[in-house]
Amino acid sequence: AQSVTQPDIHITVSEGASLELRCNYSYGATPYLFWYVQSPGQGLQLLLKYFSGDTLVQGIKGFEAEFKRSQSSFNLRKPSVHWSDAAEYFCAVGAWGNTPLVFGKGTRLSVIA
Amino acid sequence: NAGVTQTPKFQVLKTGQSMTLQCAQDMNHNSMYWYRQDPGMGLRLIYYSASEGTTDKGEVPNGYNVSRLNKREFSLRLESAAPSQTSVYFCASSDSRELFFGEGSRLTVL
Repeated sequence: AQSVTQPDIHITVSEGASLELRCNYSYGATPYLFWYVQSPGQGLQLLLKYFSGDTLVQGIKGFEAEFKRSQSSFNLRKPSVHWSDAAEYFCAVGAWGNTPLVFGKGTRLSVIA
Repeated sequence: NAGVTQTPKFQVLKTGQSMTLQCAQDMNHNSMYWYRQDPGMGLRLIYYSASEGTTDKGEVPNGYNVSRLNKREFSLRLESAAPSQTSVYFCASSDSRELFFGEGSRLTVL
């Protein structure tokens, strides 16, 4: 069965520090991979997506993610975190067609001064 | 373009009451989805519709029914609401590659 694991439930980083959020997936087909961000009380915003090609993808707000097929991972990174990055982050996996996305349980990011 | 529109945005129900969440998309997408979001659980699929006239169960379908009224609209119905259905509900449509989400509907069942 398809699944997504985000091992870290909650991460706290200092403003200006680098960030890496982990995502591992289990998927039979060639995966499409996504990262979403959700601020408190808000909807989901797509940060970035991977369909094929270059395994390092750039997203909005200075985020990037790297697809590593051998490790079944799609980790999200940012070189320097801003206080406004405090939110919950969701990794999701899918495939072409009408197959529904499968989401991880999320990682909550707190940013301290 | 409005994208995916959900109504209502907020609703409070008493146990046993029924209600329907409405969802409409204007992107001519074939596939539509209903997810629920609960703290610590991520988004879980309730039902989806791969095309007009078809619906399929997702991970957590119990207590819900859906109707794909036409290509644009996909509604979610709670026949007899229970406190366990207190959640935030998201509708989405797909262009076969990625999902486009509505803003969510926050439902509280007392």
